[in-house]
Amino acid sequence: GDSVTQMEGPVTLSEEAFLTINCTYTATGYPSLFWYVQYPGEGLQLLLKATKADDKGSNKGFEATYRKETTSFHLEKGSVQVSDSAVYFCALRLSTDSWGKLQFGAGTQVVVTP
Amino acid sequence: DGGITQSPKYLFRKEGQNVTLSCEQNLNHDAMYWYRQDPGQGLRLIYYSQIVNDFQKGDIAEGYSVSREKKESFPLTVTSAQKNPTAFYLCASTPPRSGNTIYFGEGSWLTVV
Repeated sequence: GDSVTQMEGPVTLSEEAFLTINCTYTATGYPSLFWYVQYPGEGLQLLLKATKADDKGSNKGFEATYRKETTSFHLEKGSVQVSDSAVYFCALRLSTDSWGKLQFGAGTQVVVTP
Repeated sequence: DGGITQSPKYLFRKEGQNVTLSCEQNLNHDAMYWYRQDPGQGLRLIYYSQIVNDFQKGDIAEGYSVSREKKESFPLTVTSAQKNPTAFYLCASTPPRSGNTIYFGEGSWLTVV
């Protein structure tokens, strides 16, 4: 079945460090891919998305490229801040499902220390 | 401003009671969803609805019920049959087509006491 696999957390970094969170997926067809961020006690906010192969999503210094050959959508940021501490979720939405339920990864907690 | 409003933010339930979580959206979205999140875990789909008066079970529907009488509203009832209801509940909505973003509410914390 369709699934999303993320690297386990927590990931602990110092401020200004480089962040990578790995995400791979299994799906039929050509899904749309998303990264959501959840700050403590809040709902999920869309961070970025990509809807076709080789698309790069970017927002707030975060980037992720849709790699169909490796079925991956890794999230990266060149220099993290304390305010980036949150849980990050990778998700997919099937192209065959126009009413698109999202399939989520388990989430990766990121802790950035000063 | 357009968005999804969930209420209450915090709710305590005694064992054996039913409780209803409210979800209202003014985004004119057709599809709405309820997810459950347990501490340190990902999201699991409870129910979803594509149009008014129609809804489908998700992966963990047992012990829950929903209704969709209006496009804007998708309340979730956590029944006494749900054995472990303490969790964070998230409502979401989206227009159709796979590339469209799903938007989430702020969530509701339910604790059984």
